[in-house]
Parts: sequence; structure tokens; C-alpha cells
Amino acid sequence: KQEVTQIPAALSVPEGENLVLNCSFTDSAIYNLQWFRQDPGKGLTSLLLIQSSQREQTSGRLNASLDKSSGRSTLYIAASQPGDSATYLCAVIRDSSYKLIFGSGTRLLVRP
Amino acid sequence: AAGVIQSPRHLIKEKRETATLKCYPIPRHDTVYWYQQGPGQDPQFLISFYEKMQSDKGSIPDRFSAQQFSDYHSELNMSSLELGDSALYFCASSLGTGQAGYEQYFGPGTRLTVT
Repeated sequence: KQEVTQIPAALSVPEGENLVLNCSFTDSAIYNLQWFRQDPGKGLTSLLLIQSSQREQTSGRLNASLDKSSGRSTLYIAASQPGDSATYLCAVIRDSSYKLIFGSGTRLLVRP
Repeated sequence: AAGVIQSPRHLIKEKRETATLKCYPIPRHDTVYWYQQGPGQDPQFLISFYEKMQSDKGSIPDRFSAQQFSDYHSELNMSSLELGDSALYFCASSLGTGQAGYEQYFGPGTRLTVT
């Protein structure tokens, strides 16, 4: 059974710091991995999608990497801003099914 | 760009009542997914449809049913509501042919409160 774990569960940093969020998954037979952002009580915004054949994806200040063999992905946020404060969720799609399996998220607070 | 539309955004029902949630996918998307997110929890997959056929099923109670219509919109029907059904219900859509890596785009959610 695929399990997705995110570390740390919560993170508080001062504005301007570069930071790394970690995601690990137990079954390397994934089709792709998506990173999402969720504001409290709101919907999920897709940030980046990495297909299993890719190693990384970049969008603005965000960079996500994928090491399928070790079952790990990282989301790098450069020059963090208070507006980045949210919960960040990673989710994987297995080869055999197209449903997303989510981690429990990292709650990020960027202090002004 | 058009996004996934869900209605209603908020719904309050009493125990044992019935609720219907609607989802309108992004134009040209042929696959719809339903997820349930309880308070303080991560989203859990309920059910999905591809080209109007059920494609996968998760931990969806027998009291719930869903379908995808000819215009690709989907409805989640929930009967005999229980207090534990109170949650955010998300619909997501994607292109089912794999061209876009099955990237899923989520709607804003329907917040269901059962009293």
C-alpha cells in the first residue's frame, strides 16, 4: 500500500529564507507526483507536476525534484515571502491507478 | 482560464437527509475525481470517472453514489447523512489520455456540515 509522508509537519521561517519541504513515498511505482498549496479552508492549487521520467520542474521561485528510486521529492522555495504561508501537500499517482494519494502536508508560516 | 466549478460552495444538512454535490470540469477534461477532506486531514479519494464510466473507487460509503453525465459534469449523491460526513468535498478534473501527465486541477470545494 502506497504511503506518503511529509517532513516537517510544520515550519516557521523569517521572510527571505530559502527553504526545503520533503516528501517521501513507499512504493516507487508512481506515474507522477504533484505538489499543491492549500490555504486554510480553501481548495488545492496545483504548483508543480513531475512525471516519473523527469527529475525536476521549476515555476518561478519554486523548484521540485524527484528521485523515484529512493522514493523522495523535495520542494524548494526561494526567497520566501509572507504570502507563501499555507499548507503544502505532495501527492502521488501510482502506475495502476490515477487517484492521488496525499501526504499529510507541511504547514508553512513565513514571518514578516 | 476556466477552472473546475463546484456547487454549492456551502451546504448544511441534518442527519439522515440527502445531499447532492455538483462538479463541472475544465472544458475538454474527460476525467473527474471526487475527494473528501475531513477537519485537519489530508484529502482522501472517493471515486473517479473517465468518459462517463466509473474508473476507480476508493473508500466511498455505500450511502454515496456518483455519476458523470454526457456533458462530463459529475454529481455526488449522499444519502442518510451522518455527522461524520461533515467535510470539504473536492472535485478535480484532468485529461484522461495522459497527454498532460494526468495533472489534476481542483475545484474550490463544497463544505458540507451535517447537524
